[in-house]
Amino acid sequence: EAGVTQFPSHSVIEKGQTVTLRCDPISGHDNLYWYRRVMGKEIKFLLHFVKESKQDESGMPNNRFLAERTGGTYSTLKVQPAELEDSGVYFCASSIGQGIGNEQFFGPGTRLTVL
Amino acid sequence: KNQVEQSPQSLIILEGKNCTLQCNYTVSPFSNLRWYKQDTGRGPVSLTIMTFSENTKSNGRYTATLDADTKQSSLHITASQLSDSASYICVVNTGGFKTIFGAGTRLFVKA
Repeated sequence: EAGVTQFPSHSVIEKGQTVTLRCDPISGHDNLYWYRRVMGKEIKFLLHFVKESKQDESGMPNNRFLAERTGGTYSTLKVQPAELEDSGVYFCASSIGQGIGNEQFFGPGTRLTVL
Repeated sequence: KNQVEQSPQSLIILEGKNCTLQCNYTVSPFSNLRWYKQDTGRGPVSLTIMTFSENTKSNGRYTATLDADTKQSSLHITASQLSDSASYICVVNTGGFKTIFGAGTRLFVKA
């Protein structure tokens, strides 16, 4: 069974440009999460989907970030326009449920560099 | 403020030796605590999970402990191997499904 996949693995863009990151969760996982790790800091929560609905988007830094999960399958995270401080590694994770026993499985991450 | 602090930031040990990583948290309400291993270029992978009532949990050469009174956890690695070189991240989940990550301990195992 395939794990969580993310595309692209790396992205280098200039300040002001737009970038779209994609996450394909494990098949059958209704819960999808986006996280971000900026240089030297801990991983931080961005938002959580249950199927196609945003359950919690309290971690989204500002309105330059837009996440979608149309159809409840894969998800995209768009940054428009990108700023220097958006550089970091963006992780996606998925889980079957939300309870204690429901492990989140992480993708390899997308490393975003904004120049 | 919900926080998870890990120590040391980095650690170098010789292959075959044991080591212990520390995690202190100030998270409320507490639901569970996981230790993750993150290899370079990969996403974190769960090693152990402990709830409030559990004091210890083992996964092969990895043993995690939890003291819910002092809000401390440790991850002990026995007979380290080169493949143990990675970042180890302590993650605390709150009762409201919030996930708080520590900054991680970078472990280097040398031959």
